[in-house]
Amino acid sequence: DAMVIQNPRYQVTQFGKPVTLSCSQTLNHNVMYWYQQKSSQAPKLLFHYYDKDFNNEADTPDNFQSRRPNTSFCFLDIRSPGLGDAAMYLCATSRGQGKDEKLFFGSGTQLSVL
Amino acid sequence: SQQGEEDPQALSIQEGENATMNCSYKTSINNLQWYRQNSGRGLVHLILIRSNEREKHSGRLRVTLDTSKKSSSLLITASRAADTASYFCATDRGSGNQFYFGTGTSLTVIP
Repeated sequence: DAMVIQNPRYQVTQFGKPVTLSCSQTLNHNVMYWYQQKSSQAPKLLFHYYDKDFNNEADTPDNFQSRRPNTSFCFLDIRSPGLGDAAMYLCATSRGQGKDEKLFFGSGTQLSVL
Repeated sequence: SQQGEEDPQALSIQEGENATMNCSYKTSINNLQWYRQNSGRGLVHLILIRSNEREKHSGRLRVTLDTSKKSSSLLITASRAADTASYFCATDRGSGNQFYFGTGTSLTVIP
């Protein structure tokens, strides 16, 4: 089945140690998104790629970076994780072809910072 | 930043009852969508309503949209224990490719 896959399901890192989260998709969608979701809060859009075009949200900290080497893969890099970066990170995709776009989500990566 | 507010924040009902959740947003939109999230999992798309539509149905779901009040409601009829989840509205702020979520409603359906 076509889907959005995030690995790993759980990630533990140390304070200040760079960490990379991975997302892949078999939907062949043009757009890939990264959301941060803290406990009992709404998912917060960090940035998205429309094909190779990167779109950063104005309030996304510089500590967060992203790479999209090809259509299928997208990575979230956290350069120096702080305790406040512990959260669920959700990858999503959309077709990017029309008005009635909807998001397809992966299962998320739960990041812990020690 | 978040798009808007949802209320109630939490809702607990008996199985078989109807559940109504409300969403308010702040900017112009192309459409408004509702998503469901089971605990610790990703979100799943439920239903989309366009800005020129006032009501839409899908199975046990009924969504209304009032663009003059910048608000929407999601009604789940004949609720089941399996409907227990968090429900979020999302809008695109007219951009088409950027989606912003409301604060969510946590629904508990008691068997």
